[in-house]
Amino acid sequence: GEDVEQSLFLSVREGDSSVINCTYTDSSSTYLYWYKQEPGAGLQLLTYIFSNMDMKQDQRLTVLLNKKDKHLSLRIADTQTGDSAIYFCAESRTTDKLIFGTGTRLQVFP
Amino acid sequence: NAGVTQTPKFQVLKTGQSMTLQCAQDMNHEYMSWYRQDPGMGLRLIHYSVGAGITDQGEVPNGYNVSRSTTEDFPLRLLSAAPSQTSVYFCASSPTRGGTEAFFGQGTRLTVV
Repeated sequence: GEDVEQSLFLSVREGDSSVINCTYTDSSSTYLYWYKQEPGAGLQLLTYIFSNMDMKQDQRLTVLLNKKDKHLSLRIADTQTGDSAIYFCAESRTTDKLIFGTGTRLQVFP
Repeated sequence: NAGVTQTPKFQVLKTGQSMTLQCAQDMNHEYMSWYRQDPGMGLRLIHYSVGAGITDQGEVPNGYNVSRSTTEDFPLRLLSAAPSQTSVYFCASSPTRGGTEAFFGQGTRLTVV
């Protein structure tokens, strides 16, 4: 089946690291993505990882993929107030469809 | 560089009315899709298109029609609006399959009363 799950809410202090987690059920996923949605805006692709990779780092963002446990995480180092947003995990296979998680609302407080 | 443009940004409909949500992209992308976003449910795929003249159903297609007469435009039609269609609708386009290069519009907030 197609199911992508995330916790709904995360609150962190400015300057700390944030870790947003995602689990998925389809082992045939080829790409896994992280999107960011700021209030009143569309989704912005932050980063993605191919399923044969374990880790991808891009500046303050680190994506970890545990394919055995079907677990994906996004770590944001030195979290800033501008990082406050909803973060969506998504997967795709060889089709044209993206399957999204429920989204995690990240709140950064000073 | 306009990207993906959705109109209108906000709309209120009465139950039973019909309307079309517009989506246009100027990037010559083959793949376009419509999602709806509901609280606690993430984004769900309504319909998608892999090129002009080709459309297919997504996860929640009932109550919606689409057409793709040109590469640029992918309108979403609500045939007879129902309160259950109150949602935020997003259009996306991509030059490739999957989402590695997907661009999203700003969204249309639709309320059906």
